[in-house]
Amino acid sequence: DAGITQSPRHKVTETGTPVTLRCHQTENHRYMYWYRQDPGHGLRLIHYSYGVKDTDKGEVSDGYSVSRSKTEDFLLTLESATSSQTSVYFCAIKGSGLGSDTQYFGPGTRLTVL
Amino acid sequence: GESVGLHLPTLSVQEGDNSIINCAYSNSASDYFIWYKQESGKGPQFIIDIRSNMDKRQGQRVTVLLNKTVKHLSLQIAATQPGDSAVYFCAERNSGNTPLVFGKGTRLSVIA
Repeated sequence: DAGITQSPRHKVTETGTPVTLRCHQTENHRYMYWYRQDPGHGLRLIHYSYGVKDTDKGEVSDGYSVSRSKTEDFLLTLESATSSQTSVYFCAIKGSGLGSDTQYFGPGTRLTVL
Repeated sequence: GESVGLHLPTLSVQEGDNSIINCAYSNSASDYFIWYKQESGKGPQFIIDIRSNMDKRQGQRVTVLLNKTVKHLSLQIAATQPGDSAVYFCAERNSGNTPLVFGKGTRLSVIA
């Protein structure tokens, strides 16, 4: 998994509760991404980061916020979880040097919102 | 379990045959393309990539073909093995360091 860990790996929560997912990398890569994966939709980008404190929205950012206070950690927060946010969440990383085009993915977090 | 594979197009091949998985991409300005393999319960795994200035690239048992005229990408797997059974995604990058945009995926099922 290219030095990427995600925590927790599984979580069940209730509607209206806040949830934070963590992505941790050991490769010192500049770019980090959060995707969600749902049947019929493939992988959709939620937010991404291009450096410490530098983030931008993806195509499905509503209801999510992110923070990156240090290079190795990228946090995804659901301020008030809804059932529509039940999904599998993947973090990915990418370098910024010449030839660093490939995004590498973590193992995923399965989130269930009841 | 694997829920992402529901409703995906499926390709079934006999073990030992060659597999061809196709992908149509959307942006004629995309400069980089990549194929991922995803096994049940795991994250997508890089297989092979290609830049827009190439039309073919080969790896170990895999070949990617790019036809920019019709915006089509294909992944060929030689001598398909049971371990190749998975969902395969193509992705494109519009330019520079923009994030990848993913296709919906194809499930490859290898019949032993």
